[in-house]
Amino acid sequence: SAVISQKPSRDICQRGTSLTIQCQVDSQVTMMFWYRQQPGQSLTLIATANQGSEATYESGFVIDKFPISRPNLTFSTLTVSNMSPEDSSIYLCSVEGPIRSTDTQYFGPGTRLTVL
Amino acid sequence: SQQGEEDPQALSIQEGENATMNCSYKTSINNLQWYRQNSGRGLVHLILIRSNEREKHSGRLRVTLDTSKKSSSLLITASRAADTASYFCATDSQGGKLIFGQGTELSVKP
Repeated sequence: SAVISQKPSRDICQRGTSLTIQCQVDSQVTMMFWYRQQPGQSLTLIATANQGSEATYESGFVIDKFPISRPNLTFSTLTVSNMSPEDSSIYLCSVEGPIRSTDTQYFGPGTRLTVL
Repeated sequence: SQQGEEDPQALSIQEGENATMNCSYKTSINNLQWYRQNSGRGLVHLILIRSNEREKHSGRLRVTLDTSKKSSSLLITASRAADTASYFCATDSQGGKLIFGQGTELSVKP
């Protein structure tokens, strides 16, 4: 299985600011995804991070609010822009792969964000 | 919108007992995956079952899938206090995009 790390592990931010979360995988993977888990709730897919092209967003999520980069097959970032308290959540990246492996999906440890 | 419904929402058992969690979904799937989450931390992958499979085992875990009923179950046998966690099912019906159920909160008392 792939080893996934996220930075930061947690942060407390002020309303109106932005935070960029990094996701690093120890091997090349085909698919990378970003999920949000609001307090006490299940996970919701934000977007698919596409290597070398714009991310594909799910209904209810837009690029201006959650810009995503994926410059290569092992790294992606998610930015939470112009934050409000409603953005307080755990943000998790996940990967499917490594390449030519199964379609099992593995998750990073998550970034716990609190917006004041 | 969530595809999966899980029941029960919460389950409390004694150590040594078996725990069964159920998951139902709405559309056809490629596979269904079960995860464990301890206290809001990252998700640990437990098992993947494909749409053409009916049952899989991994250690103390047994997963079944009934595509005609669009349902799956996770059985944990001989539970331990360390199994206390939230358990989620997630369905993959579109190129890796997982849709999660609401989860079952399992408490195993020593």
